[in-house]
Amino acid sequence: DQQVKQNSPSLSVQEGRISILNCDYTNSMFDYFLWYKKYPAEGPTFLISISSIKDKNEDGRFTVFLNKSAKHLSLHIVPSQPGDSAVYFCAARGVNTGKLIFGQGTTLQVKP
Amino acid sequence: KAGVTQTPRYLIKTRGQQVTLSCSPISGHRSVSWYQQTPGQGLQFLFEYFSETQRNKGNFPGRFSGRQFSNSRSEMNVSTLELGDSALYLCASSLVGNRNTQYFGPGTRLTVL
Repeated sequence: DQQVKQNSPSLSVQEGRISILNCDYTNSMFDYFLWYKKYPAEGPTFLISISSIKDKNEDGRFTVFLNKSAKHLSLHIVPSQPGDSAVYFCAARGVNTGKLIFGQGTTLQVKP
Repeated sequence: KAGVTQTPRYLIKTRGQQVTLSCSPISGHRSVSWYQQTPGQGLQFLFEYFSETQRNKGNFPGRFSGRQFSNSRSEMNVSTLELGDSALYLCASSLVGNRNTQYFGPGTRLTVL
C-alpha cells in the first residue's frame, strides 16, 4: 500500500526551463510534507518542506505547492540547472505516528 | 560539524548469513531512523530510535532489528539474509525538536548473493 506516490519515474528538462515534479498521497492524516534530493553514492539531502496548513512555500529557485483537496504536492524548480540533475523524493509525515513515508523517487535530468 | 556516518559503505554477504550495520548521528542529534532503499520502492521506513528506545517501526519482518546506544549511535541487524534484502540502507538523524528535517548518511550498500 503506497501512501505516497511519485508516478513519473523520470523527467528530462532543458536548462533554464521549469522542472515540475509531482507527488500524490492517499492519507489525509499527513501534516507535513518534504522534498529531498539524492545524488548517486550520497544520502538524500533535505530541500524544502511545507506544513499542511499552507499551500505554498518558496526558497530561492524551489517552490513547493500543496493542494490538500486533491492530495497532491508538487515541486517547481525555476530556472533548472544541470546541477539539479538528481533523484527527487517527496515525503509525508504522519500526524499520529511521526513516521516519514517516502515516494519512489523521480529522476530529474537537466540538459545543458 | 561532521555529518551522519555509516559503516561499512559496502558489504557482500550470502543467503542465510547475518549482518550488522552501524550509524553515527550528527553530534547533538538523538533521534536516529533507518530506511531501506530499493529500485522502484523508494525509501521504506524500518525503525526510529530515540534515547535508546524504539519509537517507531515500519512493516518489516522480525529479521530486521536495531538498537541505539547511550551516545546515540545506532546499529541495525538483519538475520538470515535473503536475496531480496539487497538494498541501500540509509540512516538519518534529527534533533528531537525538529524530527521533520532528517539528515541522511551516505548509506551502506548491501549485496546478498
